[in-house]
Amino acid sequence: GAGVSQSPSNKVTEKGKDVELRCDPISGHTALYWYRQSLGQGLEFLIYFQGNSAPDKSGLPSDRFSAERTGGSVSTLTIQRTQQEDSAVYLCASSPMGVGYTFGSGTRLTVV
Amino acid sequence: GQQLNQSPQSMFIQEGEDVSMNCTSSSIFNTWLWYKQDPGEGPVLLIALYKAGELTSNGRLTAQFGITRKDSFLNISASIPSDVGIYFCAGQLYGGATNKLIFGTGTLLAVQP
Repeated sequence: GAGVSQSPSNKVTEKGKDVELRCDPISGHTALYWYRQSLGQGLEFLIYFQGNSAPDKSGLPSDRFSAERTGGSVSTLTIQRTQQEDSAVYLCASSPMGVGYTFGSGTRLTVV
Repeated sequence: GQQLNQSPQSMFIQEGEDVSMNCTSSSIFNTWLWYKQDPGEGPVLLIALYKAGELTSNGRLTAQFGITRKDSFLNISASIPSDVGIYFCAGQLYGGATNKLIFGTGTLLAVQP
């Protein structure tokens, strides 16, 4: 598509449930990033995929967080056993060679 | 997570005024970028800076990459109501396993007509 697409745009879940967030990057972009933005805060790096290389997972806050990227395109961020502190906007971005990110509109996750 | 020091945190100005915001880091970056985020949207790239000392303009926006590669500023001239939003600086390092961006804490800009 023309831009980075994320779904769902909003997700409300009960504490302890698992959630999956989806990102469709711009076609042909080899790099894909996930960031988290808490209320009134900047963007916190979570994970980075580049082509077939091993992902950089250094930003994942706990082992409840995981992400995969299938076929070098769509990516899914999974949060297991959600906690209230996981509430945030989760942003996905893609770029052709690691420069000039294009962000999606994000998924607003609320854990109640 | 790691973040850059960005100031001011917020600005409330009159339409037509000029605006300046800056970002500093204890680390050196290869690239500095400035983004704007509107409510409910992801950040949109405004200006990218690739060389120390570089001064770049994009319409009413002007940004500079500090000589030490540890800082950058963004100026907006003759502000208009649609400039309202949150502005983020970001530093990027190339090479190694990642090209991740490290973001500043953001500057909230409000413009009164």
